[in-house]
Amino acid sequence: DTGVSQNPRHKITKRGQNVTFRCDPISEHNRLYWYRQTLGQGPEFLTYFQNEAQLEKSRLLSDRFSAERPKGSFSTLEIQRTEQGDSAMYLCASSQNRITGELFFGEGSRLTVL
Amino acid sequence: DAKTTQPTSMDCAEGRAANLPCNHSTISGNEYVYWYRQIHSQGPQYIIHGLKNNETNEMASLIITEDRKSSTLILPHATLRDTAVYYCIASGWGKLQFGAGTQVVVTP
Repeated sequence: DTGVSQNPRHKITKRGQNVTFRCDPISEHNRLYWYRQTLGQGPEFLTYFQNEAQLEKSRLLSDRFSAERPKGSFSTLEIQRTEQGDSAMYLCASSQNRITGELFFGEGSRLTVL
Repeated sequence: DAKTTQPTSMDCAEGRAANLPCNHSTISGNEYVYWYRQIHSQGPQYIIHGLKNNETNEMASLIITEDRKSSTLILPHATLRDTAVYYCIASGWGKLQFGAGTQVVVTP
């Protein structure tokens, strides 16, 4: 399978715990994006990387959220001290560095904070 | 990114063409029109994009008005598997900002 891979697919945690999601993009893609999606809404942009550089962060990305892409390949999204409002689907996408901007999405990681 | 406006929902009969409208009256000259769809519980899937000219691929056709203020996505022969939320996005290169989209239900 050469698509975007996300793990874990589902995570249930208690409020206050830390969680980490991993995204493995398509191998030749140097851009990687994180989105968050809540029920009934479209995906909301969180942040994106070009290679290992984090180029943009949304205001939605509070101090409790941190994303890394240390070697320009896979990426992790960590949420510290989770809150019930963090419950959502976290989507990762990747693209080649070209002007047309076609994104390839993974299946997402669903977070439930109890 | 330019704001887009889409109907909340629409129904389509199986086998018929589905025409999905999108308004993007504030689109700038370097912004493309992208269409994605999201089938329940899956990640969004790219369908098609265009700048000025009409485009067609194996999934759909994209018709962009001459003034670029609106566009229509055409699914030529809708099937039950086309039931999904369809997103129209007007954006330059880089990140894409999704709206609420149009829920399309294809009925037998």
